[in-house]
Amino acid sequence: IAGITQAPTSQILAAGRRMTLRCTQDMRHNAMYWYRQDLGLGLRLIHYSNTAGTTGKGEVPDGYSVSRANTDDFPLTLASAVPSQTSVYFCASSAAGGPNNEQFFGPGTRLTVL
Amino acid sequence: GESVGLHLPTLSVQEGDNSIINCAYSNSASDYFIWYKQESGKGPQFIIDIRSNMDKRQGQRVTVLLNKTVKHLSLQIAATQPGDSAVYFCAENPKGTALIFGKGTTLSVSS
Repeated sequence: IAGITQAPTSQILAAGRRMTLRCTQDMRHNAMYWYRQDLGLGLRLIHYSNTAGTTGKGEVPDGYSVSRANTDDFPLTLASAVPSQTSVYFCASSAAGGPNNEQFFGPGTRLTVL
Repeated sequence: GESVGLHLPTLSVQEGDNSIINCAYSNSASDYFIWYKQESGKGPQFIIDIRSNMDKRQGQRVTVLLNKTVKHLSLQIAATQPGDSAVYFCAENPKGTALIFGKGTTLSVSS
């Protein structure tokens, strides 16, 4: 079934630890995105990639890094997790970057940093 | 600053009623708008979109209305069903690469 997969589904992490959230899509979409969703704040963009080999910063990029070595994968890394990074993380993709392109979302990763 | 908001955080309706979920946006440069539905424990799911050169667009049981004069977007759901219970987000796309999401309206449908 075509779509976006994320791993892990959930994770409890000690503060200061390094963590990589995985995201893979099989729709051959050029653009991919990472959002975090917090209660009362909606979805906020962390980082994005319009095409393999390029990345850009979103609204809340601090404390996160991404890479886009190929079209399908877009991992999000927390180098040293802090409790304020407790959130639900969603990966999304669209056929092309830029405006006017529908984004498809993965099922999310629930991360708790203690 | 730029923001997308919803008039009501929650909306409760009876099964079979029509639902209207409202959204106000602030950026006149936005030319693309999307409604997403998010069920508990799942990622947002695309419902319908509309471009700024349109005032209305219809889908299956859903209609999106765009009023650019007052920067208002609404989602109408006809004959609301219990399966429509979810959080609904509007999103706008001002010039640039990022969608800006509103904070969401929780729709509760009772039978």
